This record gives sequence, structure tokens and C-alpha cells, in this order.
Amino acid sequence: AQRVTQPEKLLSVFKGAPVELKCNYSYSGSPELFWYVQYSRQRLQLLLRHISRESIKGFTADLNKGETSFHLKKPFAQEEDSAMYYCALSPPLDRGSTLGRLYFGRGTQLTVWP
Amino acid sequence: EPEVTQTPSHQVTQMGQEVILRCVPISNHLYFYWYRQILGQKVEFLVSFYNNEISEKSEIFDDQFSVERPDGSNFTLKIRSTKLEDSAMYFCASSWVGGLNEQYFGPGTRLTVT
Repeated sequence: AQRVTQPEKLLSVFKGAPVELKCNYSYSGSPELFWYVQYSRQRLQLLLRHISRESIKGFTADLNKGETSFHLKKPFAQEEDSAMYYCALSPPLDRGSTLGRLYFGRGTQLTVWP
Repeated sequence: EPEVTQTPSHQVTQMGQEVILRCVPISNHLYFYWYRQILGQKVEFLVSFYNNEISEKSEIFDDQFSVERPDGSNFTLKIRSTKLEDSAMYFCASSWVGGLNEQYFGPGTRLTVT
């Protein structure tokens, strides 16, 4: 069964420190992995997806199929990065999930202190 | 920038009553979704919808739930007889044809069942 685990409910770092938000997944295949972010009083929005291999707002995430992980990293955290971060998984479209149903982790609340 | 909108932002209802949650997806999107998040829990998939029919639904989406696209712009979620455990934040999302997995979320409707 599909499962996304974010082991840290809360994570606090100081401004300028590196930050890593952990995400592990369980899926027998090659799913698509995403990070969504929800800033205070704002909607869920896509931060990045592994297939794009891009850096957004200084964040990167590498898919490690051997460890089934998709950790989100940023070398120098900023106060404006404080938000709730959700890791999400979607089965590939050729495996029956025709419309990209998302499975979310519980989320990690990141606080960046000044 | 176009956004998904949802109304109302907060709905209070008594147990056993019917509620309709409304969503206006982004205008050129063709794929629609409902998710919910019970307080303190994961965001959970309810249903996906395309071409005027349900594409996929979760085990949560039982006979008490229904979705409709009544007029080509709105996308509604109806709960026929609400239960206390239906209290949650309900998110609508939509995606366009070319990027099935890039889902754009609405701000959510907080449903409180008393």
C-alpha cells in the first residue's frame, strides 16, 4: 500500500542554517514525488516535483529509490521559509491512477528563527 | 494569476443535515479533485473527476458523498447526512490536461458538524 512518512512533526532552525525535511515513502514501483508547502493563512501550493529536477526558492529534493526517500533540503534557511511542508506521492499514470491521486504525509511544520 | 476558489470558507451544520461545498476550478482545467484534512491528520484524497464522471474515489467517499459539475464552472461536493466525523477542512483542487499531477488547490472550506 502507498504510504508517505514524514517523521518530524516540528522542525526549528535558525536563519542561515541548513535545513532538511525528511520524507520516506512506500510504493512498489516508480511513483511521482512532490513537495507541497502551505504558508500561514495561504493555500497548499506545489513547491517542487522530482521529475522536474529543479530548485525552487533554494530548495532541492533528490529521489533516492534505494532508500525510498525524497528529502527536501535547503543550505541556508530564511525566515520566510517558515511554513508547513507536505511530501506527497502519486502513482505513475500507467499504473491505474489515471488522474494523479495524491497521497500526503502528515506534514512538517518548519520554523526558522531570526 | 488564476486561482481555485471555494465557498463558503467556513460552514457549520448540525449532524444529519446536508451540506454542499462549492469550488470554482481554474477555467482551463479539466481534472478536479476533493481532499479533506481532519484536524491534526493527513490530507486525504476523496475523489477525482473528469469528463463529467468520477474517475477514482477513496474508501472515505461512501454513499453519503457525491460530486457534481452542474454548470461548467462550479464543482460541488455534497454530503447528504453529515456526521460528527465529517468535521474537517475540505480542499478542492484542479489540474490541466498537460500536467495531470500539478494540482492547484483552493483555500479550503472548514466544515464543522455539531
